[in-house]
Amino acid sequence: QKEVEQDPGPLSVPEGAIVSLNCTYSNSAFQYFMWYRQYSRKGPELLMYTYSSGNKEDGRFTAQVDKSSKYISLFIRDSQPSDSATYLCAMSAVSSASKIIFGSGTRLSIRP
Amino acid sequence: DVKVTQSSRYLVKRTGEKVFLECVQDMDHENMFWYRQDPGLGLRLIYFSYDVKMKEKGDIPEGYSVSREKKERFSLILESASTNQTSMYLCASRPTGVGYEQYFGPGTRLTVT
Repeated sequence: QKEVEQDPGPLSVPEGAIVSLNCTYSNSAFQYFMWYRQYSRKGPELLMYTYSSGNKEDGRFTAQVDKSSKYISLFIRDSQPSDSATYLCAMSAVSSASKIIFGSGTRLSIRP
Repeated sequence: DVKVTQSSRYLVKRTGEKVFLECVQDMDHENMFWYRQDPGLGLRLIYFSYDVKMKEKGDIPEGYSVSREKKERFSLILESASTNQTSMYLCASRPTGVGYEQYFGPGTRLTVT
């Protein structure tokens, strides 16, 4: 079993829809949770970052962590065609700060 | 503004050739990483380095080696390229400590024929 599981998609939604992207994980030591966005032919870039459980909001993006269920989510409100990209969840434990574990990525397409 | 650069965006090599992929970061980060990215498999860690001349194997080190002679530069070496090493290769760097962002380069698309 992989440490981090992420549905690869592809996911296609109309412009303006609310998008929900999810990951599950098995390692209860994970404390830092991240979402990276990767546009085609580019490297991933950090989009959202949360520590431990709870919600974090940044504009149209909300990251949610439920440590009891080992489940993290990224919500995109009022989705735009420019949000079309691959979204990778990532996480790390406090004790292994130099190693981040990535999900396989979900490819998202927003239809105009 | 952190910058991680990779020597080539696209590379085509023949089976059996020795291949060098270079990565340079300009933010004095201690940690540097090499990943390969394949459809359906996501990012897989090949090697990482937490200091000059230090290296550790990642999840898929077979067929690869690395070199870190200077803090800002981390090289990935394919000793004898094979077709199953055709992939996107991504370099990343990060400071030591918890809660720091990992910065990625633009990637090198390597094709081995």
